Amino acid sequence: TQLLEQSPQFLSIQEGENLTVYCNSSSVFSSLQWYRQEPGEGPVLLVTVVTGGEVKKLKRLTFQFGDARKDSSLHITAAQTGDTGLYLCAGDPGAGSYQLTFGKGTKLSVIP
Amino acid sequence: NAGVMQNPRHLVRRRGQEARLRCSPMKGHSHVYWYRQLPEEGLKFMVYLQKENIIDESGMPKERFSAEFPKEGPSILRIQQVVRGDSAAYFCASSRQVPGAEGEAFFGQGTRLTVV
Repeated sequence: TQLLEQSPQFLSIQEGENLTVYCNSSSVFSSLQWYRQEPGEGPVLLVTVVTGGEVKKLKRLTFQFGDARKDSSLHITAAQTGDTGLYLCAGDPGAGSYQLTFGKGTKLSVIP
Repeated sequence: NAGVMQNPRHLVRRRGQEARLRCSPMKGHSHVYWYRQLPEEGLKFMVYLQKENIIDESGMPKERFSAEFPKEGPSILRIQQVVRGDSAAYFCASSRQVPGAEGEAFFGQGTRLTVV
């Protein structure tokens, strides 16, 4: 069974600070997706990374896929209160599989 | 361009009743997935359907749970004789192709089922 471990589980920071959250596995994934989920809502897709070593930027968010495609990180620069939410990573095993494996998420609180 | 639509958003059922959860995929998407999210747990895959076909139901309990995606109309996740342990958020996702680089999955807002 493929597992995705996300860390930290909880993170509380002041507005304007930088932060990095991690998504790690012992398994290789064909691609990895990052979602943000707000209370009472569904996960919203932020980005998909496919190539080992790939870096994608979405405004103040920087996503990196590990060279071996087993891990990923999300870095937020100058966090804003609107960044508050649950950040989920989901791995696609590939090889025709369609079952996304989700981590439990990092719950981020950005305090004004 | 409407996203994945799920209804109802909240559903309360007494033990032993039936729960029906509906999902309309995004326009142009023919792949539908159901996931369940328990408190403090990650989303767990339940079932994958294409129009009129169940492709993989390996994540779905063998008893009381069923799913369909008819030729016309939304996908339905049906839970018979609900028990307290069925209380969870149920999410539907759809994609144009199988998930991966070409088939990103987009999620609905979920149905929160509470069994009392």
